[in-house]
Amino acid sequence: DAGVIQSPRHEVTEMGQEVTLRCKPISGHDYLFWYRQTMMRGLELLIYFNNNVPIDDSGMPEDRFSAKMPNASFSTLKIQPSEPRDSAVYFCASSHRGRGVLRLKHSGNTIYFGEGSWLTVV
Amino acid sequence: EDKVVQSPLSLVVHEGDTVTLNCSYEVTNFRSLLWYKQEKKAPTFLFMLTSSGIEKKSGRLSSILDKKELSSILNITATQTGDSAIYLCAVGRGGSEKLVFGKGTKLTVNP
Repeated sequence: DAGVIQSPRHEVTEMGQEVTLRCKPISGHDYLFWYRQTMMRGLELLIYFNNNVPIDDSGMPEDRFSAKMPNASFSTLKIQPSEPRDSAVYFCASSHRGRGVLRLKHSGNTIYFGEGSWLTVV
Repeated sequence: EDKVVQSPLSLVVHEGDTVTLNCSYEVTNFRSLLWYKQEKKAPTFLFMLTSSGIEKKSGRLSSILDKKELSSILNITATQTGDSAIYLCAVGRGGSEKLVFGKGTKLTVNP
């Protein structure tokens, strides 16, 4: 099975430019998460979606950040305008919770990560 | 605010040593604790723990949860250089799919 696919893998951009990160979750997964990882703060949740609907965006740092999920197989995280302090690794992750009886088998919060987009803003 | 604290922050051992990594948490309505291994790329899932006192084992790795002490340990026996990685602990709570991660323990295993 293909895992979570992210692009670009690496991006170097100048301050002020728009950055768009892309994610394709694992097929059949109904939750999608965007995380950011830095040395100082570790892994932080930015936003997550359930069935393409944003559920919790309390981790989005400021208005310069936005995320969309137009369909079950695609999501974007956009930074506009970018700043040097946005330099980090951005991970997309997905998971499946199921419904009804199946939900009982998916207790807990296991999520599966993509390989990350390494962003450097200079 | 939910909090996950891992210790030590980093650890250097020799091949063959046994290591114990610690994770303590403060979270409302705890549901599960997860361990991930991160090498150069994405964190990969190791264990999910929901019940106190039940050890989960995979090869040389094992983990156990203590809900009374709000903590978990990850043990690695007979370490190998391939165990060198950052080990991340995360906690999830009921009613939310959000995971709160600790900053990780960086393990270096020297030959």
